[in-house]
Amino acid sequence: DQQVKQNSPSLSVQEGRISILNCDYTNSMFDYFLWYKKYPAEGPTFLISISSIKDKNEDGRFTVFLNKSAKHLSLHIVPSQPGDSAVYFCAESGSRLTFGEGTQLTVNP
Amino acid sequence: NAGVMQNPRHLVRRRGQEARLRCSPMKGHSHVYWYRQLPEEGLKFMVYLQKENIIDESGMPKERFSAEFPKEGPSILRIQQVVRGDSAAYFCASSPPGRGPDTQYFGPGTRLTVL
Repeated sequence: DQQVKQNSPSLSVQEGRISILNCDYTNSMFDYFLWYKKYPAEGPTFLISISSIKDKNEDGRFTVFLNKSAKHLSLHIVPSQPGDSAVYFCAESGSRLTFGEGTQLTVNP
Repeated sequence: NAGVMQNPRHLVRRRGQEARLRCSPMKGHSHVYWYRQLPEEGLKFMVYLQKENIIDESGMPKERFSAEFPKEGPSILRIQQVVRGDSAAYFCASSPPGRGPDTQYFGPGTRLTVL
């Protein structure tokens, strides 16, 4: 039973445009969500998080939106840069992290 | 402050052999988590340990897999009698005492290939 789902395995955008990565979850008890970024042959690195008491959190070019009624969160990257090309995982933080399958983002120069 | 270290980075084993994966947490971190990433999938939680204690092993296969985090030395994930389906990337993460899983720092992973 996949509790955190990322339905888009890949996304390709032009440099300078907005990247929107999506994530759906099933358990309404989840109260803390995170996004991780992963380069090949490296471990995931923390990017940004959001508590369920908020609907938006912003850090520089990265903004995470949480829609609790739809059980949906999204990560916006604007403007996108070629160095943002990586796999992005959303995760729910309960007693341990539960990850989605990941979305491969490619930012074309 | 060195990050989370894992070794070896790559490990090749034949079916039936044992695999030992090591994880040294960041300095001052007493919580260790192990995750497995199968090809084309996300990371799946395996086990959560504190020094000398297994806190949550609900993600560990019931057979052949074991983990420990001794008082001294690295955490070890041990896979006995490996099978081809064990081929995956195994990631370790650590977090400081008193903090939850949202403060995990990941190592670079060990890529296990079973021939």
